[in-house]
Amino acid sequence: AQSVAQPEDQVNVAEGNPLTVKCTYSVSGNPYLFWYVQYPNRGLQFLLKYITGDNLVKGSYGFEAEFNKSQTSFHLKKPSALVSDSALYFCAVRVYNTGNQFYFGTGTSLTVIP
Amino acid sequence: EAGVAQSPRYKIIEKRQSVAFWCNPISGHATLYWYQQILGQGPKLLIQFQNNGVVDDSQLPKDRFSAERLKGVDSTLKIQPAKLEDSAVYLCASSLGRLAWYEQYFGPGTRLTVT
Repeated sequence: AQSVAQPEDQVNVAEGNPLTVKCTYSVSGNPYLFWYVQYPNRGLQFLLKYITGDNLVKGSYGFEAEFNKSQTSFHLKKPSALVSDSALYFCAVRVYNTGNQFYFGTGTSLTVIP
Repeated sequence: EAGVAQSPRYKIIEKRQSVAFWCNPISGHATLYWYQQILGQGPKLLIQFQNNGVVDDSQLPKDRFSAERLKGVDSTLKIQPAKLEDSAVYLCASSLGRLAWYEQYFGPGTRLTVT
């Protein structure tokens, strides 16, 4: 079975400090990995994705993520956090040979403290 | 470019009543998805359409949920009769196609409360 784990329900970081939101996955096959952000009363917004190639992926709003195949991880990072980054972050995985269904993690609430 | 539109944004109904949600995807997007997001959880796929055909409805509770996308554009999701456990946010998403590397674009969701 395909699954995604976000081990931290809540992450707090001071404004200006680097942030990391963790994601690990378990799939049979080659994964396609995605990060989405959700602001209150809004739908999910696409941040970035890993398909193939360079393990470091850059996305919207200064976010990046590193694909690590040996550790089956895809952690989201940003060098300097902003208060406006405070939101709910979801990691998702998709495997081509399983009907293309998205499997989402349970989400990590990020709070950036001024 | 307009995003995914959904209506209504909020709905409160009593158990055993029926309810319908509407979704208009991004123009040109062939694939449409309906998700259920229960508070504190990630979205769970209910049904996936490719144009006007159903690709995956394995997690749709078919005894009470139904969905259609008759002309391959707009879609409606219906619940009849509703149960308390159906209280959730219902998200519609669309993508260019079914290929696994296409990202999905989500609408704002409909928050359903069943009392």
